[in-house]
Amino acid sequence: DIQMTQSPSSLSASVGDRVTITCRATESIKSYLNWYQQKPGKAPKVLIYAASSLQSGVPSRFSGSGSGTDFTLTISSLQPEDFATYYCQQSYRTPRTFGPGTKVDIK
Amino acid sequence: EVQLVESGGGLVQPGRSLRLSCTASGFTLDDYAMHWVRQAPGKGLEWVSGTSWNSGSIGYADSVKGRFTISRDNAKNSLYLQMNSLRAEDTALYYCAKDRNSSGYFYSGDAFDIWGQGTMVTVSS
Repeated sequence: DIQMTQSPSSLSASVGDRVTITCRATESIKSYLNWYQQKPGKAPKVLIYAASSLQSGVPSRFSGSGSGTDFTLTISSLQPEDFATYYCQQSYRTPRTFGPGTKVDIK
Repeated sequence: EVQLVESGGGLVQPGRSLRLSCTASGFTLDDYAMHWVRQAPGKGLEWVSGTSWNSGSIGYADSVKGRFTISRDNAKNSLYLQMNSLRAEDTALYYCAKDRNSSGYFYSGDAFDIWGQGTMVTVSS
């Protein structure tokens, strides 16, 4: 199975900060990488698909980059509603594994 | 409104069975591959199983293979997960989710764009 890792596991940031989360796969997944945001008590919500494509309705402050094994999610200017846990997921091969998550909270 | 609603969760003893259902509204289920994803309390997301539009291609996580069976009834706009030989480690909130693209192909490689609210399964004696 393809394993996904994320760093950091958690971070504290302030409103307006630029935030970067990294995701790494144990083998090349080309651009089959998705990012989800999950708030407490809610279902996950897709932000980015195919490594860098912004899901419809998602604010443009979210962006994704990378290919192969290394990927990044960037929030250009953190907003109060962005405090949540972020997961990457590979959709290159079954099982469609998720990363362990990165919790973003308020500094 | 495009929506998925899960049901069928509950408290069950180890070794027993449970069947989860997911009903879709606002879209035609048979255009899409569908999946089950679970989340143990306080833990991350784990993909459990998925199926193509016509059940021609199906996949399972190793942790549930041989115990869980995914199925769908497109005429009823519904997805199911039959869970047998349940274990304590199957305790989780179970979500159904749909593929983002309408190819219906299990190996689409796409993200999950619509999720239900989840149904809780607790396995305990």
